[in-house]
Amino acid sequence: GAVVSQHPSRVICKSGTSVKIECRSLDFQATTMFWYRQFPKQSLMLMATSNEGSKATYEQGVEKDKFLINHASLTLSTLTVTSAHPEDSSFYICSARGGNRDEQFFGPGTRLTVL
Amino acid sequence: DQQVKQNSPSLSVQEGRISILNCDYTNSMFDYFLWYKKYPAEGPTFLISISSIKDKNEDGRFTVFLNKSAKHLSLHIVPSQPGDSAVYFCAASVGGGADGLTFGKGTHLIIQP
Repeated sequence: GAVVSQHPSRVICKSGTSVKIECRSLDFQATTMFWYRQFPKQSLMLMATSNEGSKATYEQGVEKDKFLINHASLTLSTLTVTSAHPEDSSFYICSARGGNRDEQFFGPGTRLTVL
Repeated sequence: DQQVKQNSPSLSVQEGRISILNCDYTNSMFDYFLWYKKYPAEGPTFLISISSIKDKNEDGRFTVFLNKSAKHLSLHIVPSQPGDSAVYFCAASVGGGADGLTFGKGTHLIIQP
């Protein structure tokens, strides 16, 4: 149990375009989903927290107009990187928390490369 | 300001021996701690967690110890197996795990045959 999927696993896009990443909890209802980013040789950094049906809460320094988060259902959250730039190239990972579990379960991540 | 610190970037342990990974934190509001295992280009896999009301939690070969006065926790793996080779992240949270996690930079554990 507690499987989280992400799609796509890898995406390459041109500068200025928008990219949508999906995060799904496959076998449990995720009341809360989190989005993290990991730069090479760095730790995972929390970007935002989203609860189903409400606006996401963004960490300091993360632009909410650039990183749009939608948590439309208890099993799906999406992160849209708008007007992507090369410095947005990173490994984006989502996690989900729900049910009676306190721990977060992570998706496999999405490697974004902006040319 | 790094609130969760893993001061050893890498650790090499012989197969069958005990692996001890260390983690220090500075935020006294943290009340829930977790260890994750991660392979390159994959998401972290949950290993074990501990609440601040406990000082030890054990699950099979994995044991986590928490020393609140020292703001220190450690993960013990015994016996170490080749499949344990990976990067291990220590993470902490406020609110019993309800909030987002603050991660350390990770320790690369290498199990030598």
